[in-house]
Amino acid sequence: DADVTQTPRNRITKTGKRIMLECSQTKGHDRMYWYRQDPGLGLQLIYYSFDVKDINKGEISDGYSVSRQAQAKFSLSLESAIPNQTALYFCATSDNTPPYGYTFGSGTRLTVV
Amino acid sequence: DAKTTQPPSMDCAEGRAANLPCNHSTISGNEYVYWYRQIHSQGPQYIIHGLKNNETNEMASLIITEDRKSSTLILPHATLRDTAVYYCIPVSGAGNMLTFGGGTRLMVKP
Repeated sequence: DADVTQTPRNRITKTGKRIMLECSQTKGHDRMYWYRQDPGLGLQLIYYSFDVKDINKGEISDGYSVSRQAQAKFSLSLESAIPNQTALYFCATSDNTPPYGYTFGSGTRLTVV
Repeated sequence: DAKTTQPPSMDCAEGRAANLPCNHSTISGNEYVYWYRQIHSQGPQYIIHGLKNNETNEMASLIITEDRKSSTLILPHATLRDTAVYYCIPVSGAGNMLTFGGGTRLMVKP
């Protein structure tokens, strides 16, 4: 089984719909992250969480919300999806100390029509 | 966090060494240099990291200049499976978010 599991792998949704992307990890890491990748570009940080009670906005948090249900689970929600949120979404985890051991999930490809 | 400059693309012949440069002239003393790669649309994969000294692991070698303003990732014998986008990322010890730039798209050719 993968250390960081994202569900669903692919999703097509309509404009205005609410959608949740889920991430679970077996690494035992406290820190979790959500990134977005647009075609041909690098990853951009949406939200991050350093522990269950800690949630922080990243560089592109508008239109997104997150929930850290447990150490192992971190979900990303689009309250009202819009077409320019069509992208590849990655969840990642890391340790608290160097070398941090960043581990990424396989990604969720989201299409908003 | 320090900004980085990487060439947008590079080619390498299969079996030859691939040398990927990165300029990070504004890096601070407590920032490590991490290298990740992304093959097609998969999740980024850790390659190697370093602070001051050169480092080597089973995947690659990392050469960091003495002034720490630049580094070079070396894939000693590139294969077709090394075709990917390679990201050089400074990471501070305090807040360790990875900030991705454009990276270098390495194409390994037969």
